[in-house]
Amino acid sequence: GAVVSQHPSWVICKSGTSVKIECRSLDFQATTMFWYRQFPKQSLMLMATSNEGSKATYEQGVEKDKFLINHASLTLSTLTVTSAHPEDSSFYICSARAGSYSGNTIYFGEGSWLTVV
Amino acid sequence: QKEVEQNSGPLSVPEGAIASLNCTYSDRGSQSFFWYRQYSGKSPELIMSIYSNGDKEDGRFTAQLNKASQYVSLLIRDSQPSDSATYLCAVNSRAAGNKLTFGGGTRVLVKP
Repeated sequence: GAVVSQHPSWVICKSGTSVKIECRSLDFQATTMFWYRQFPKQSLMLMATSNEGSKATYEQGVEKDKFLINHASLTLSTLTVTSAHPEDSSFYICSARAGSYSGNTIYFGEGSWLTVV
Repeated sequence: QKEVEQNSGPLSVPEGAIASLNCTYSDRGSQSFFWYRQYSGKSPELIMSIYSNGDKEDGRFTAQLNKASQYVSLLIRDSQPSDSATYLCAVNSRAAGNKLTFGGGTRVLVKP
């Protein structure tokens, strides 16, 4: 199946610093990528939809100035958590939509564990 | 009413038995339906996709879709301990901007 790579797998940062997470579709072009956050024992929560070449669409309650999303190419989207705080510690997962030839199936990256200390 | 609903479980199944998972959704305009498996601390992994009414089989997994009743189910035959995980139902709706909406997941425990 299609492969979506996410990097880094885990990161520890100091409170107040910024962290960038990359999401790449390795064998298909993804015009749309999605960013999720998942707290322990909870379901996936969609944060934003990232469209190549345009601004991301954020879900209600998600601060666009804190979670910066850049979808610079058809295979790369990045999420930057700015001025991170301990409450931002979570499992961040990206996904990418394959084309109509694949039924618009959405594939997930491996996820990134963020710990803010 | 949640957009996609699942019983949270845990669903306890003896090894070798059939695990039956259900999912209901509220948006009648939903087009695509997916089942993902998520192990603790890991990212979701696609198991099945289904787009039209009826059954779709893939190995030990069978997905069933009934758009009139707005439910989709997943059967796991010959359940193995390695099938113990949380199973997420996801629905893709054009009305929701082609976003994937997830249910809360059903935790499955397969006991040897």
